[in-house]
Amino acid sequence: NAGVTQTPKFRVLKTGQSMTLLCAQDMNHEYMYWYRQDPGMGLRLIHYSVGEGTTAKGEVPDGYNVSRLKKQNFLLGLESAAPSQTSVYFCASNKGLASNEQYFGPGTRLTVT
Amino acid sequence: AQRVTQPEKLLSVFKGAPVELKCNYSYSGSPELFWYVQYSRQRLQLLLRHISRESIKGFTADLNKGETSFHLKKPFAQEEDSAMYYCAPPSGNTPLVFGKGTRLSVIA
Repeated sequence: NAGVTQTPKFRVLKTGQSMTLLCAQDMNHEYMYWYRQDPGMGLRLIHYSVGEGTTAKGEVPDGYNVSRLKKQNFLLGLESAAPSQTSVYFCASNKGLASNEQYFGPGTRLTVT
Repeated sequence: AQRVTQPEKLLSVFKGAPVELKCNYSYSGSPELFWYVQYSRQRLQLLLRHISRESIKGFTADLNKGETSFHLKKPFAQEEDSAMYYCAPPSGNTPLVFGKGTRLSVIA
């Protein structure tokens, strides 16, 4: 039982490049989330999904897109990376009710130069 | 909208001293609150939730509805408690809204 995994762990992009971050969970969770973590800003929700085939915007969705084609996977895409997107990205999942514990991935450290 | 406020970005205490990490919330319903912790270079993990009324790693958190607070406390801080702590309430049918976090540094 691997829990929540994220690929890649680190990445350096140049401004304007694109990339996709992959999150996978093996706990059969309905809800999945993408957050970014920045110093002094805490955790901010980018997008989330309440089930396969559904996505919704969070607090800071601009510049990102997501897809949930399979229940176990939640992809975060950056179409044209900007230096402001330099951050640590965390994926999380839970059973579905807001009161349930969220399980987090190990994070992806992204630097955009 | 629900709001969670953690007024301290950084809290430094000496080993063996008491610790209190503050969290205030605004919520119209009956709140259920969580504390998450992130140790250095590790993923976030649940520390405790108020509904379970348990003590984890010596930490407790009491919900004070009158003051709308859910402060995290530990009587004697240890060096291994140094971490980033996030307070979070449930948001009904919307995802958790985390506070901005407090970095606790325990000095030997």
